[in-house]
Amino acid sequence: SAVISQKPSRDICQRGTSLTIQCQVDSQVTMMFWYRQQPGQSLTLIATANQGSEATYESGFVIDKFPISRPNLTFSTLTVSNMSPEDSSIYLCSVVLLTDNEQFFGPGTRLTVL
Amino acid sequence: GQNIDQPTEMTATEGAIVQINCTYQTSGFNGLFWYQQHAGEAPTFLSYNVLDGLEEKGRFSSFLSRSKGYSYLLLKELQMKDSASYLCAVEDSNYQLIWGAGTKLIIKP
Repeated sequence: SAVISQKPSRDICQRGTSLTIQCQVDSQVTMMFWYRQQPGQSLTLIATANQGSEATYESGFVIDKFPISRPNLTFSTLTVSNMSPEDSSIYLCSVVLLTDNEQFFGPGTRLTVL
Repeated sequence: GQNIDQPTEMTATEGAIVQINCTYQTSGFNGLFWYQQHAGEAPTFLSYNVLDGLEEKGRFSSFLSRSKGYSYLLLKELQMKDSASYLCAVEDSNYQLIWGAGTKLIIKP
């Protein structure tokens, strides 16, 4: 299994500001993903974080709004830029292990934008 | 420590009813999620329970007892497409999600 930590665990932010969420995993992983879950909705994949190169974004998500970094195999950041109340959500980091291809989810970051 | 327990695997017959249990021990409680995950896909949100009792959504129902640290997901009129993993996740007092390992549900004709 993998131990995934995210910082911060929650935050309340003002409209127009930006927040960077960190994800750290204790194992070597192949893939790292960022998801969000808005209230009452399914998990939605934002992007795949690629080590040393630009992330791969899903339809409806753009780099200017959600810049992502992944400087090494075990760490990634997601920034939610120029926030609006519609960005209020749980943001989840997820990884796929190198050893067994199983997917694990982090504890999430609960973001509220006022 | 924080712990979520759910059975590793269950088998049921098409058209029948199955109940997937989840017990938890966490630092506080802010809510409990159930997700469905098909192989190779992202989990799909099924339910979110905060208060005790049963919540019904079509063929799926979710029950919560906070005093017992217990929840179950009830699936009725099982269909082959219900074959999937079912994940239980508890949000603790710090708004951290503690994930269960998932229950693989196998539906047989």
